Amino acid sequence: ETGVTQTPRHLVMGMTNKKSLKCEQHLGHNAMYWYKQSAKKPLELMFVYSLEERVENNSVPSRFSPECPNSSHLFLHLHTLQPEDSALYLCASSQGWRETKNIQYFGAGTRLSVL
Amino acid sequence: RKEVEQDPGPFNVPEGATVAFNCTYSNSASQSFFWYRQDCRKEPKLLMSVYSSGNEDGRFTAQLNRASQYISLLIRDSKLSDSATYLCVVSVGRRALTFGSGTRLQVQP
Repeated sequence: ETGVTQTPRHLVMGMTNKKSLKCEQHLGHNAMYWYKQSAKKPLELMFVYSLEERVENNSVPSRFSPECPNSSHLFLHLHTLQPEDSALYLCASSQGWRETKNIQYFGAGTRLSVL
Repeated sequence: RKEVEQDPGPFNVPEGATVAFNCTYSNSASQSFFWYRQDCRKEPKLLMSVYSSGNEDGRFTAQLNRASQYISLLIRDSKLSDSATYLCVVSVGRRALTFGSGTRLQVQP
């Protein structure tokens, strides 16, 4: 609907599992983002990619590993997560990542539960 | 102090009411401002950008006050479908957007 597609929509994983979240945008944008949204907390920016280069990394634990193979695709690889990592993970894209071009369009998110 | 602060609400208003939300931001160098709307268990969606001169889109009016460092959103003639969380969003220089925690609006019949 927004041109940003996330899969899977729901994911349940154990603490020893390895899984990946996928995001794809069909808007011709050059910047992509991962956010974490926990209950009753603001959106927390995790990573920003601009033209496939990581330009921002907000002190995210190494158990989260992003990958941006091209400007249309963004992955978040997960391993040895903790129960407190359970949250809604949102992907977004924008035309650019500096002001005037940074209106962001979000995917529907992946609701992650870590057992 | 949080970079972007909003009253979490909830604001419970009857249909047809006018409701206003404020949002304050801490960095005077902030340059771009937006209101996003997020429905329960859905992704945020852009509602409107906020310009220095203020802007209106149907029943929605956004204002920016740089001197006091706040932005506002006014909703006239509230509809049941306006029930959502409204996120105040600020862009500071060469950084990605900073989101407020959101203000929850519940419009009641």
